[in-house]
Amino acid sequence: DTAVSQTPKYLVTQMGNDKSIKCEQNLGHDTMYWYKQDSKKFLKIMFSYNNKELIINETVPNRFSPKSPDKAHLNLHINSLELGDSAVYFCASSPGTNNQPQHFGDGTRLSIL
Amino acid sequence: AQKVTQAQTEISVVEKEDVTLDCVYETRDTTYYLFWYKQPPSGELVFLIRRNSFDEQNEISGRYSWNFQKSTSSFNFTITASQVVDSAVYFCALSEQGGYNKLIFGAGTRLAVHP
Repeated sequence: DTAVSQTPKYLVTQMGNDKSIKCEQNLGHDTMYWYKQDSKKFLKIMFSYNNKELIINETVPNRFSPKSPDKAHLNLHINSLELGDSAVYFCASSPGTNNQPQHFGDGTRLSIL
Repeated sequence: AQKVTQAQTEISVVEKEDVTLDCVYETRDTTYYLFWYKQPPSGELVFLIRRNSFDEQNEISGRYSWNFQKSTSSFNFTITASQVVDSAVYFCALSEQGGYNKLIFGAGTRLAVHP
């Protein structure tokens, strides 16, 4: 029944580790996104894929690498985690790139020790 | 440059009061879209409304209403007869035609409704 699902919901790890967050949507949407919400609640887009093709890549460190194996999945891999990576990461999807509303997952809270 | 400003960081009201959340945007595009999202304490982001730049009609949905004024670049959100369940952070966002649907969010307004 879940529209956009992210796993895990919580991720606690040490600095320097590599971790992945998975996202899946069952809405049949063509476009998926990753957003980062910092400790002050500010939301900023990181990446977007349309039909498995990268279309938005905001100035994000190359330690972050998105991967879209198919249009229903968009995963986020982060290498060499730093303290500043602590945030809530939201996955979202929309029908296309025509400014339709984006549907968000519940978020993954990443805490770096 | 695109920008969304929500000048009210926090608002506190008592139940049944009306409250308006302000949103001012900047864009050079003539075609753009405005959104409001709600983030309750549980953390998820819930879509509330989408409005395109050619439709300045006000919209009402139950206790929620939106006032879009291009002349002042504002898209304000009013909750009538607020309830405790309205307590949340509310985000205004902008996306531009041709911007690949990138949402530019304001900083959010935290609304606390007290019984």
